[in-house]
Amino acid sequence: QQQVKQSPQSLIVQKGGISIINCAYENTAFDYFPWYQQFPGKGPALLIAIRPDVSEKKEGRFTISFNKSAKQFSLHIMDSQPGDSATYFCAGVSGSRLTFGEGTQLTVNP
Amino acid sequence: ETGVTQSPTHLIKTRGQQVTLRCSSQSGHNTVSWYQQALGQGPQFIFQYYREEENGRGNFPPRFSGLQFPNYSSELNVNALELDDSALYLCASSPGGTGFNEQYFGPGTRLTVT
Repeated sequence: QQQVKQSPQSLIVQKGGISIINCAYENTAFDYFPWYQQFPGKGPALLIAIRPDVSEKKEGRFTISFNKSAKQFSLHIMDSQPGDSATYFCAGVSGSRLTFGEGTQLTVNP
Repeated sequence: ETGVTQSPTHLIKTRGQQVTLRCSSQSGHNTVSWYQQALGQGPQFIFQYYREEENGRGNFPPRFSGLQFPNYSSELNVNALELDDSALYLCASSPGGTGFNEQYFGPGTRLTVT
């Protein structure tokens, strides 16, 4: 059962551009929505997370926008850098269990 | 502070065999979760252990089993391996308790079943 749908599957942006990744969820029991970044050969690492009672959260170049009524949330990476090239996963949390999206492979060209 | 470690890094097994994967949690963490990540997919929750007891299980058959030890390290056991079990197996530890607790992932064990 796919409870978190993520798009696009892959994304290519130029250095300095804005990267946008979208997710939609079905499970209304989710009570936290984190984004993870994964580099090849590494496990996922938490990037930023948001509670469903907040519409936006910003940490540095990374912003989560959350729309509870539409059951959608997105990650914006401002001033994208080549070092941001990685796979990004959105997730929903219910009872400390993470349900991940399918992932977005981001490539930032110099 | 030592992060989450997993062993072995890579493993090749034959269909029908059994495998044990190991995970050492981060210092101070009493909760360990296991995930299966197929190539090109997001990690899927297998189960979680909290203070040596199973605390939730995903949609995986009983041939996937686990243990957590008093020092909070953990093992994942898979019996009767199938080709579809080929994946990266991730272990994540967290401090437990209520609310959202960040899960810290290890680098994973790459299992190949032939």
